[in-house]
Amino acid sequence: GAVVSQHPSRVICKSGTSVKIECRSLDFQATTMFWYRQFPKQSLMLMATSNEGSKATYEQGVEKDKFLINHASLTLSTLTVTSAHPEDSSFYICSARAWDSTGDTQYFGPGTRLTVL
Amino acid sequence: SQKIEQNSEALNIQEGKTATLTCNHTNYSPAYLQWYRQDPGRGPVFLLLIRENEKEKRKERLKVTFDTTLKQSLFHITASQPADSATYLCALVRGAQKLVFGQGTRLTINP
Repeated sequence: GAVVSQHPSRVICKSGTSVKIECRSLDFQATTMFWYRQFPKQSLMLMATSNEGSKATYEQGVEKDKFLINHASLTLSTLTVTSAHPEDSSFYICSARAWDSTGDTQYFGPGTRLTVL
Repeated sequence: SQKIEQNSEALNIQEGKTATLTCNHTNYSPAYLQWYRQDPGRGPVFLLLIRENEKEKRKERLKVTFDTTLKQSLFHITASQPADSATYLCALVRGAQKLVFGQGTRLTINP
């Protein structure tokens, strides 16, 4: 099946710093990627849709100036958490949209654990 | 707004038995519904997709049913094994492949 990677797998940073998370589709091209956030014992919540070559679209309540998304190529989307604060600590997961034998499917990355001190 | 609920937060099953998880969706009739497995500290892994015109879908020991009248999907794991222990998520699609996830059911298979 299609493989999606994320880097880093975990990051610890000080409050006020910015953190960049990369999401790559390794063996397929993805014009659309998605960014989710998951708090402990909760489900995944969609933050934004990342479209290659155009601006990301954000879900209601997600600050676009705080969570910067860049989808510069068909295999890479980045999420930058700017001026991170402890409440931004969470598990960030990306997915890439693919069309294969299953149909229109999303393949998820392994996630990035962000801890803001 | 679309709402998707998984009845049980946690489920414990004896090894070898069939585990059945429930997913209900209200205020929305999705064209299809998906099931994922998520292990601790990992991203979800796609398992099965079932369309509204399909009553049942199978993959090895997994079976999914979709009742559009009841707005409910059931996810079965037959001959369950301890390695099946994980959190299982159902998700519906709303426009442009945006997934709305249920809160998940943490399944534990006891040896």
